[in-house]
Amino acid sequence: EAGVVQSPRYKIIEKKQPVAFWCNPISGHNTLYWYRQNLGQGPELLIRYENEEAVDDSQLPKDRFSAERLKGVDSTLKIQPAELGDSAVYLCASSPGDSNQPQHFGDGTRLSIL
Amino acid sequence: RKEVEQDPGPFNVPEGATVAFNCTYSNSASQSFFWYRQDCRKEPKLLMSVYSSGNEDGRFTAQLNRASQYISLLIRDSKLSDSATYLCVVGNMLTFGGGTRLMVKP
Repeated sequence: EAGVVQSPRYKIIEKKQPVAFWCNPISGHNTLYWYRQNLGQGPELLIRYENEEAVDDSQLPKDRFSAERLKGVDSTLKIQPAELGDSAVYLCASSPGDSNQPQHFGDGTRLSIL
Repeated sequence: RKEVEQDPGPFNVPEGATVAFNCTYSNSASQSFFWYRQDCRKEPKLLMSVYSSGNEDGRFTAQLNRASQYISLLIRDSKLSDSATYLCVVGNMLTFGGGTRLMVKP
């Protein structure tokens, strides 16, 4: 079974530039999560999708962050414009059902803002 | 109080030692709990779910104490390869603790 696939693995951009991350979940997993992880901290949920519906986006900074999962499969997370404080690892995870089931994580995208 | 709290450590233990971590949570209605392991610059990987009756997987034992609102992870006979950060997560809260770093020394 293929795991959660994320791209790119690394991204370096200058502040105020846009950036996008892509995630393809495990086949058949209805629930998709985007997390941000800062160094030395646990992952922080940004948004959760059940199929194509965003069911929890309370932690997503909506002034600059956006996400979509148009066909209920893969998803993109965008930041525009990026700020220095956005430097972090962005993790995508998926699970077969609701949030009471364990999640499987992708390798993450390490974002550095110059 | 944070929703999910862990002692960040590091816990430095010799090979063969037994070590235990706790993770406290604030929502008494929480239903699902998990332990993840995260190696340096890698993604979190599921170590084990935590069941109400407690569960064991080889050298690892997880327990849930609902009355005191914490879960625990016990590692017996520590190996060098157990060195990592251990993250607890309360499933329906979708909240991770900050992680406990374990370093097993020869």
